[in-house]
Amino acid sequence: QKEVEQNSGPLSVPEGAIASLNCTYSDRGSQSFFWYRQYSGKSPELIMSIYSNGDKEDGRFTAQLNKASQYVSLLIRDSQPSDSATYLCAVRPNTGGFKTIFGAGTRLFVKA
Amino acid sequence: GAVVSQHPSWVICKSGTSVKIECRSLDFQATTMFWYRQFPKQSLMLMATSNEGSKATYEQGVEKDKFLINHASLTLSTLTVTSAHPEDSSFYICSARRGSGSTDTQYFGPGTRLTVL
Repeated sequence: QKEVEQNSGPLSVPEGAIASLNCTYSDRGSQSFFWYRQYSGKSPELIMSIYSNGDKEDGRFTAQLNKASQYVSLLIRDSQPSDSATYLCAVRPNTGGFKTIFGAGTRLFVKA
Repeated sequence: GAVVSQHPSWVICKSGTSVKIECRSLDFQATTMFWYRQFPKQSLMLMATSNEGSKATYEQGVEKDKFLINHASLTLSTLTVTSAHPEDSSFYICSARRGSGSTDTQYFGPGTRLTVL
C-alpha cells in the first residue's frame, strides 16, 4: 500500500463547477497535510495546509481532513481553466524527522 | 508565501562533466532542505534531505557519491551532479522547510532543468 494515494485522473470538470480532489494516507498518526498545485513544467506551489479535523477555507479552495478515515480532500469552487494542473497531496507521517510524503498527483482539467 | 530560489534554471552539459545547482531560501532560514528529481509525466522523487551543518540523508537507491549535497548555511544548499550522463537529465527541484514543529511547511524552488548530451 502506498503511503499517500491519489487518483491519477485526469479529472475533467466544466468551468464554474466544483472540482473535488481526494487523497488517502496510511500513517494514522500523521499530523500535517498539504495540497500543492503543479503546472506542467513548473515546480509545486503550496495551496493549503491543514492540521486538524474539519474544513479549512481559503478563497475558492477548501481543504477537508478526516483523520479517523485517513482522508484529506481539496475542493475548488468556481473552477477556472487556469486551475488546470496536477494537484499533489502531501502528508507528514508521524515517524519523526521532517520528511513529507507526496502522492503521485491528480491531473485536473477545467473545460472552458 | 516564502521564497525559494534555484540557480541555474536550466543547464545543458556534456556527458562526464559536473553540474552544481544552488538552492536558496531568500526570506527565511532553513535548517532543512530537500532535493527532488522529477522525470516527465512522473511524480516527485525525493533524493535526499539536506541538513545545515551535517551530512545529507539520502533515499534508498540514490548514489551519494554521484549526487553531492552541501548545506553550508541556513539559506543555501547545493546539489552537485558529478560525472553527469544522459540518464541524469531531469528536472531537479529543491524545497526548504520553513518553521518548526508540526506546523512547518515546505516551499519549493522553481526547479532546474538539466540536459546532459
